[in-house]
Amino acid sequence: QVQLEQSGAEVKKPGSSVRVSCKASGGTLSSHAFTWVRQAPGQGLEWMGGIIPIYGTANYAQKFQGRLTMTADESTSTTYMELSSLTSEDTAVYYCAKYVRTTLYDAFDIWGQGTLVTVSS
Amino acid sequence: DIVMTQSPDSLAVSLGERATINCKASQSVLYSSNNKNYVAWYQQKPGQPPKLLIYWASTRESGVPDRFSGSGSGTDFTLTISSLQAEDVAVYFCHQYFSFPHTFGLGTKVEI
Repeated sequence: QVQLEQSGAEVKKPGSSVRVSCKASGGTLSSHAFTWVRQAPGQGLEWMGGIIPIYGTANYAQKFQGRLTMTADESTSTTYMELSSLTSEDTAVYYCAKYVRTTLYDAFDIWGQGTLVTVSS
Repeated sequence: DIVMTQSPDSLAVSLGERATINCKASQSVLYSSNNKNYVAWYQQKPGQPPKLLIYWASTRESGVPDRFSGSGSGTDFTLTISSLQAEDVAVYFCHQYFSFPHTFGLGTKVEI
């Protein structure tokens, strides 16, 4: 059973970038597809995009086009989400999650514990 | 983008009673080629990530109690908790994965 372990909380200045990692244990990246979903304080869930490491493909929500990059490192079984040009509106808990199947058209069955990113001057 | 409109925003249900949550998609999420509805339901408790309960609108995830069930097709979907237990107090979200961007309902808070 795959488990996802995310990196720790971050505090960033407006205009800077943040990179959050998500390490998969109990399985390999190449067997799965991954997504990033964020949740602002007291708010709902927002899909940011998805990546299929074995195909090297990623799809980003248009809202984040140009400032979001998802990557994967097979050697460490880790996926990364980097978001640039941060504003206070990017303050949220960021979750990585695994798609049920190796496709970006599916539900998310395994979730990381979440990483709080706070953007403040 | 497909808008997922959930109702109600919150509901209070007595222990052992039925809870019903609705979700309406702004367009059909039924894929005709495989006759599957691209809808999932999640449960989220405070300080925890969401937990998958139902996918393909009505398929229960492994390990999820059978008091949770999903139904519906096309644009209208329902999550039912047949006999509410204390541990079911949470926020529930619907999710469409028919098209990009994936979108979620705003959530329904279930209380006792």
